[in-house]
Formats: sequence, structure tokens, C-alpha cells
Amino acid sequence: QVQLQESGPGLVKPSETLSLTCAVSGFSVSINYYWGWIRQPPGKGLEWVGSVHHSGNTYYNPSLKSRLTISLDTSKNHFSLKLSFVTAADTAVYYCVRHSDSTGTTAFDIWGQGTMVTVSS
Amino acid sequence: EIVLTQSPATLSLSPGDRATLSCRASQSVRSFLAWYQQKPGQAPRLLIYDASNRATGIPARFSGSGSGTDFTLTISSLEPEDFAVYYCQQRSSWPPLTFGGGTKVEIK
Repeated sequence: QVQLQESGPGLVKPSETLSLTCAVSGFSVSINYYWGWIRQPPGKGLEWVGSVHHSGNTYYNPSLKSRLTISLDTSKNHFSLKLSFVTAADTAVYYCVRHSDSTGTTAFDIWGQGTMVTVSS
Repeated sequence: EIVLTQSPATLSLSPGDRATLSCRASQSVRSFLAWYQQKPGQAPRLLIYDASNRATGIPARFSGSGSGTDFTLTISSLEPEDFAVYYCQQRSSWPPLTFGGGTKVEIK
């Protein structure tokens, strides 16, 4: 059974860097899938943040691209998100997800439980 | 960026009713559209991918249809556990992957 689990600080100060990690169990991140992040501000809809392919190629939401880094660590079977220079607008529940555009279920088929990150001084 | 517009924003129905949710794309997404269900305090759950394919474990009362710019999610007979928010999402042209704004199905 594939499971994703987010971890990281729940509170980040404005202008600092938000760092989250997603631990993957029951599946190797080296297999042909994308591993991504989606966020949801309180009471609002879903926004795709970005994804990393098993090959290491990255794909970012243009609205966040200048502040965003997503990386894959195959030795630890996890992937990470770093978002720099955060503001209150980055306050959201952050979900890590698996998705594919060519193998099996071609959508966000596996989701982590989500972790709430608040940007505040 | 492909914009997805969902309607209505809220659907007030009773258990046993048929629910019809709409998602319209600003340009063709071919059949590359998915639907998700989200309940309060939970992560979204995939229901339908590539417009009409039910994900693993999804009951047959959920069905998806459409192609190009107009898509529909139908719940044939609402169960109490189906009252939730539903989102559509496209993967035809990315980045960015985009979601619709959601439709809340509430108890009438």
C-alpha cells in the first residue's frame, strides 16, 4: 500500500524559507511517476505547487517558480519542497501527491494527509 | 494557463437525488480531466481520471463524461457520505496543472 507522509515546521516567519519533506512508503520514488505538492489556503480551493519526475526533472507553477525548489532523494525514498521569501499568502495546508501522465491512473492518485503551514511572525 | 470553471458553486440536494456537476475548460483539454472529492479536514480523493475512468474502489454511482471543453460528473443517487466538495483538474497542458474552483454538494 502506497503511503505519503508530510513533515516540517507548522510555523514559518515572513521572508524565511518554508521546508517540507514527503516520506514515501510502499513504493519507490525511482519508478516512472511524478511526485508533487499541492496546497490549499484555509477555506479555499486547490493549487498545484510543483512536481519532480522520477528522472529528476522539475515542473513548477509559474506563479511560484522564482521562489520554489522541489527535489528528490532516492536514497531516502522521499522528496522535498523549499519555498523562499514566504508571506501570509503562503499559509495553507500542503499536500504531497503522486501522479502520472502515462502509467496507470493518470491523475493525483495518492495523497498525503496534509500539513498545515502558517506564515506569521 | 488553462482555466477550469465549475458550476454551480453549490448544489443543494437530498439523499437519493441525482447530482450533475459541470466543469468547463478555457480551451480543449481533450479527455485529460479528473474529478476529486474532498470532505472537511481530509485530503482530496481521486474519483475519475481521463474524463470517464473510475479510480480504484470508487462506487459505480459516480460517473464522468465529456471531452474537449465541457465535462460532467454525475452521482446517480446521492448517499449521505457523498455530501462534500468536488474539484475538476486538467493535465492536458502543463505546467501549470490546474483545478477548478470546486462545487459544494450540500444537504437540502
